[in-house]
Amino acid sequence: DAGITQSPRHKVTETGTPVTLRCHQTENHRYMYWYRQDPGHGLRLIHYSYGVKDTDKGEVSDGYSVSRSKTEDFLLTLESATSSQTSVYFCAISESETGSNNEQFFGPGTRLTVL
Amino acid sequence: SQKIEQNSEALNIQEGKTATLTCNYTNYSPAYLQWYRQDPGRGPVFLLLIRENEKEKRKERLKVTFDTTLKQSLFHITASQPADSATYLCALEGNKLVFGAGTILRVKS
Repeated sequence: DAGITQSPRHKVTETGTPVTLRCHQTENHRYMYWYRQDPGHGLRLIHYSYGVKDTDKGEVSDGYSVSRSKTEDFLLTLESATSSQTSVYFCAISESETGSNNEQFFGPGTRLTVL
Repeated sequence: SQKIEQNSEALNIQEGKTATLTCNYTNYSPAYLQWYRQDPGRGPVFLLLIRENEKEKRKERLKVTFDTTLKQSLFHITASQPADSATYLCALEGNKLVFGAGTILRVKS
């Protein structure tokens, strides 16, 4: 998985609790992304980062926040988890944002269940 | 609004045949289009990228076409094998890379 790890791989939590997912890369890629994948919706971008401390919102950012204090780490936080946030979360990295080098490399995913 | 459509129904084919998957889009003018493969329980894996000025791209048994007039990309796997069974996602580069929901391919021996 191109030097990308995600932790935890599985998590069950209760509604209203905070949850933080971690993505760690060893490729030194500038761009990092958080997606969620749900049946029938495909991959939807939550937030992305274009450098340390530089982040921006994606298509489905409500209820999520991110932080990137180091090149290699990108954290996704659910401030107060809801059942609608039950999903599989993927982290991805890329060398560039656009153009012929922007293929993305994905981590193994985190399966989150909010009860 | 921008929309990417991939067949929601699984494609079932016999080993050795050519599998053809379709990606249609509306309200996009992507400069690039990418195809990914995803196995159950794993993250997507990049396969091929094709530029808007390229009609066709090949890699081993894979071939991708990109018709900007029809707003369609076709993804072909020739001499398909059971190991090709997976979900295949297309992704279009607009402001960001946007993914389709994917098509499941099942190759039966």
